[in-house]
Amino acid sequence: QVQLVQSGAEVKKPGSSVKVSCKASGGTFSSYTISWVRQAPGQGLEWMGRIIPILGIANYAQKFQGRVTITADKSTSTAYMELSSLRSEDTAVYYCASGGMDVWGQGTTVTVSS
Amino acid sequence: DIVMTQTPLSSPVTLGQPASISCRSSQSLVHSDGNTYLSWLQQRPGQPPRLLIYKISNRFSGVPDRFSGSGAGTDFTLKISRVEAEDVGVYYCMQATQFPLTFGGGTKVEIK
Repeated sequence: QVQLVQSGAEVKKPGSSVKVSCKASGGTFSSYTISWVRQAPGQGLEWMGRIIPILGIANYAQKFQGRVTITADKSTSTAYMELSSLRSEDTAVYYCASGGMDVWGQGTTVTVSS
Repeated sequence: DIVMTQTPLSSPVTLGQPASISCRSSQSLVHSDGNTYLSWLQQRPGQPPRLLIYKISNRFSGVPDRFSGSGAGTDFTLKISRVEAEDVGVYYCMQATQFPLTFGGGTKVEIK
C-alpha cells in the first residue's frame, strides 16, 4: 500500500514562493498520478493540478496556471508542488493524493503573512 | 468547469439512523470511455480526506458496508445506513471525468 509523506509547515512572505514535497513509499511511484489539492481554513477542497511521473506531464487548474509548477523525481519517488507570487489567500493546507485520490498525504500548512 | 452542488449543507443525525447526501453536477459525468468518475470522500476533523466510494458505487478497500453510493448522469447520492459516532465529519463528492477535477462544497454530518 502506497504511503505519502509531505514536508513540514511553511511560513512565507507575500510575493515569495513555496515548494512542498510529497514522498511516496510502498508502491511503484511512476505507475500512478499525483494530484495536489488545497484547503483554505474552514473551506472546502480545491484541485490545483496533477502529474504523471512516468511521463513527467503535468496538468493544471486554470486558476493556478502560471503560478504553480508540479514536478516529480522518479529517483527519489518524490513529487513537488511549487506555488509562486504568494498572497494571503494562498494560506491553506496543501495535500498530495495518489491516483484516484485513494491515498492522501498528511497535509502541509502554508501560511502567507507579512 | 463542472460545478458540483451538494445538499444539504449540514445533516444532524441520531446515532443508528440513516443519512443521505445528494450531489448534482452541472453536466453529465459520463466519460467517453463509458465510466462515470464520481467519488465520495470523508474528512474527519483535523484529518486529510479519505476515499469512500469511487465510480459512483464502488466502496474503497476497508470502507464499511453501511456506506453506499448510487446515481447516474448528473445526480448522485451517498447513503449511510446507520450512522455511527466515527462517521462525524464533512463529506465531499468529487468528479474526475473532466479537468479540472472539482469537488462539491461539502456536507457536514453531525450527531444530534
